[in-house]
Amino acid sequence: SQQGEEDPQALSIQEGENATMNCSYKTSINNLQWYRQNSGRGLVHLILIRSNEREKHSGRLRVTLDTSKKSSSLLITASRAADTASYFCATDAIDSNYQLIWGAGTKLIIKP
Amino acid sequence: NAGVTQTPKFQVLKTGQSMTLQCAQDMNHEYMSWYRQDPGMGLRLIHYSVGAGITDQGEVPNGYNVSRSTTEDFPLRLLSAAPSQTSVYFCASSYRGLADTDTQYFGPGTRLTVL
Repeated sequence: SQQGEEDPQALSIQEGENATMNCSYKTSINNLQWYRQNSGRGLVHLILIRSNEREKHSGRLRVTLDTSKKSSSLLITASRAADTASYFCATDAIDSNYQLIWGAGTKLIIKP
Repeated sequence: NAGVTQTPKFQVLKTGQSMTLQCAQDMNHEYMSWYRQDPGMGLRLIHYSVGAGITDQGEVPNGYNVSRSTTEDFPLRLLSAAPSQTSVYFCASSYRGLADTDTQYFGPGTRLTVL
């Protein structure tokens, strides 16, 4: 069963705008990770946020984690055409024996 | 470093055939895993390994076998292919942290079609 659920399923914005994607999960976690997948390619790790962290930045990416609401958000600022991809969250649940549980992803399209 | 490599990139099988998907990593990662990705869905874990000689089942293990005789290699065997196994298969590896799972590195995937 999938622990993470991304919202929205699809998002289309103009280049230069900010894109926000959300992830909700069901059980307590050790960490939550965000990955990007370009069409037909493997997944690439973007950022990992641990359960005792609330916010993390990496370049144009900002991730927040609210463990009380069991949710996370990924913000991409000043979007570029190259950001067009699917974005997935994955949770490392406590007592999961190192298994990551994945959401279905948000498909992001950046219009030039 | 080559990272995580997978072969083949594409494969077409007939129902009932068997085959092995190869996966290798050169990062000395202890943790390796196989996922399948179906349209509109996230990744589903098939099997994983926390070190050489140790394997365990994930969410969807039926119809697949794995072995881990070395740290580098983690092949996935389809015993008797079925159309329901048509999917894209990804191998991933990561350093096994003391408390949690670290960043996973993915191979480029194998696109499998079973007729």
